[in-house]
Amino acid sequence: ETGVTQSPTHLIKTRGQQVTLRCSSQSGHNTVSWYQQALGQGPQFIFQYYREEENGRGNFPPRFSGLQFPNYSSELNVNALELDDSALYLCAARDGELYGYTFGSGTRLTVV
Amino acid sequence: ELKVEQNPLFLSMQEGKNYTIYCNYSTTSDRLYWYRQDPGKSLESLFVLLSNGAVKQEGRLMASLDTKARLSTLHITAAVHDLSATYFCAGVGGGATNKLIFGTGTLLAVQP
Repeated sequence: ETGVTQSPTHLIKTRGQQVTLRCSSQSGHNTVSWYQQALGQGPQFIFQYYREEENGRGNFPPRFSGLQFPNYSSELNVNALELDDSALYLCAARDGELYGYTFGSGTRLTVV
Repeated sequence: ELKVEQNPLFLSMQEGKNYTIYCNYSTTSDRLYWYRQDPGKSLESLFVLLSNGAVKQEGRLMASLDTKARLSTLHITAAVHDLSATYFCAGVGGGATNKLIFGTGTLLAVQP
């Protein structure tokens, strides 16, 4: 049990559709980041939220957006899905007092 | 921006042998992380290295950090089949986000 839970675990969507992925973490995890991991590659940083505000973004287009809620849960939204969006999406939570990042179990998104 | 390179990309070992995975990074990183990933699974935190000369050990794995050489190593002692997985190192990208920049990963296969 890592304290970071993602849902759903698997998802299949059609090109052009929209998807929302969810992440919930325990109290104290005031920073949450989202990563995209394509098959055979290392995770790539999408964006990060701190106290409900986005405070950093990687090289991803605006159709990737997110939210963080007061209860430490978070969402990743992707609009106008493309085939290349097929990947494992990971959220990572960090306790402000510690240096470790705890990753959730991930959501495997397949776009057909 | 920080770039992280690992080598080798693929490593086939026999049980009982020793080997080292290398992680080079291009610019200053406040700390260095090592993660393990089993097929289709999320990232499991192995080590966080915080300062030059840091060495951490857990079981058959030992990680070290040389910030002057911008090099971290993950040494495997007397490999066993259960260590088969993909290993990632990650540096911290700097700025407000402290985003993780991952290497490409090393796929380790331990043969009986």
